[in-house]
Amino acid sequence: DGGITQSPKYLFRKEGQNVTLSCEQNLNHDAMYWYRQDPGQGLRLIYYSQIVNDFQKGDIAEGYSVSREKKESFPLTVTSAQKNPTAFYLCASIDGLNTEAFFGQGTRLTVV
Amino acid sequence: DAKTTQPPSMDCAEGRAANLPCNHSTISGNEYVYWYRQIHSQGPQYIIHGLKNNETNEMASLIITEDRKSSTLILPHATLRDTAVYYCIVFAGGNTPLVFGKGTRLSVIA
Repeated sequence: DGGITQSPKYLFRKEGQNVTLSCEQNLNHDAMYWYRQDPGQGLRLIYYSQIVNDFQKGDIAEGYSVSREKKESFPLTVTSAQKNPTAFYLCASIDGLNTEAFFGQGTRLTVV
Repeated sequence: DAKTTQPPSMDCAEGRAANLPCNHSTISGNEYVYWYRQIHSQGPQYIIHGLKNNETNEMASLIITEDRKSSTLILPHATLRDTAVYYCIVFAGGNTPLVFGKGTRLSVIA
């Protein structure tokens, strides 16, 4: 089945550590996105990528980094520079315009 | 920043039509209007999208005004399972971001 997969579903990290969230899609979509969601809030865009080896900052990129070495993969690293990393993280992909975006089921990151 | 404005919350009686408004007064000619919904702690689910014509699918109808500055999502017979946050988005594809606003929290009441 085609889809978009995020892993792990739950992630705990110690303060000061970097952590990488995985996002993989087998839909052959060019564009991929990372969002952060805090309790009771909407989705805020962190980074997005339209093609391999290229990506752009969203509204809240500080403290995060991404890579797009393969079309199907768009991992997000939450660095120690991110002051409040505890949140729900969502990944999405879309194939151009006039089609729907597909979302993963999210990773809930907790800093302990 | 989001280019859409939605009321923060709405209530609807079960079995009645839910009409969710969205203002996108600065929409560009090449931007589509998309609607998604998110049930607690899940990824958003696609509902419907359109450019300028009204659209209908098995889930909902989308009414876009002639000047394209606003739209309404209609759930014809709301059920308790339609309780969710509904997001209206304008998106031009290409190298443009897919930006969500704060959405409307719809509560369907028995």
